[in-house]
Amino acid sequence: DVKVTQSSRYLVKRTGEKVFLECVQDMDHENMFWYRQDPGLGLRLIYFSYDVKMKEKGDIPEGYSVSREKKERFSLILESASTNQTSMYLCASSFAYRFGEDFGEGSWLTVV
Amino acid sequence: AQTVTQSQPEMSVQEAETVTLSCTYDTSESNYYLFWYKQPPSRQMILVIRQEAYKQQNATENRFSVNFQKAAKSFSLKISDSQLGDTAMYFCAFMITGGTSYGKLTFGQGTILTVHP
Repeated sequence: DVKVTQSSRYLVKRTGEKVFLECVQDMDHENMFWYRQDPGLGLRLIYFSYDVKMKEKGDIPEGYSVSREKKERFSLILESASTNQTSMYLCASSFAYRFGEDFGEGSWLTVV
Repeated sequence: AQTVTQSQPEMSVQEAETVTLSCTYDTSESNYYLFWYKQPPSRQMILVIRQEAYKQQNATENRFSVNFQKAAKSFSLKISDSQLGDTAMYFCAFMITGGTSYGKLTFGQGTILTVHP
């Protein structure tokens, strides 16, 4: 089975801190994605990547950046965390031409 | 831009009965996929069923089936013989299969389904 691992399940950070959320997949997927999930809004795409060192903005990229130095790892960075970034963050991955993504278990981030 | 709407925030059903979750979408694209994902309390998103827009036949996966009405832009999920383990949040999602947007999912707001014993 594909495994998408998000290293931190629960984090509490202070306003203004730099936050790293890490995601690793073990199936050699080309595509990787970061979403945030909020009640009543579903999942919204923050950033995605089709290949190493490539990144594309999703629907809500403001306040976030990403890094993909290796194919299996896709990091989401909050340069200066704010309280409105309190949310659950989901990482996903897929093969380039296989439609349907595999998701990690999510990272709950609280910014105080 | 694509939008996906799930108009039922919450649904409930008795065990062994059938329930239908609604989803509508809006797009000007002709080539796309539609999905239903399940998110149980553990928060692990699981792909339930997938439908290619060019296929007229409705997709089926065991107790899960869809009613895909392309002209109406409707994509409902029917769960037959509901089980307690079906209790979860269900998301409808849309994906364009061409151009620079391929592989990106657009999700609806979600429907919380509770199956009662």
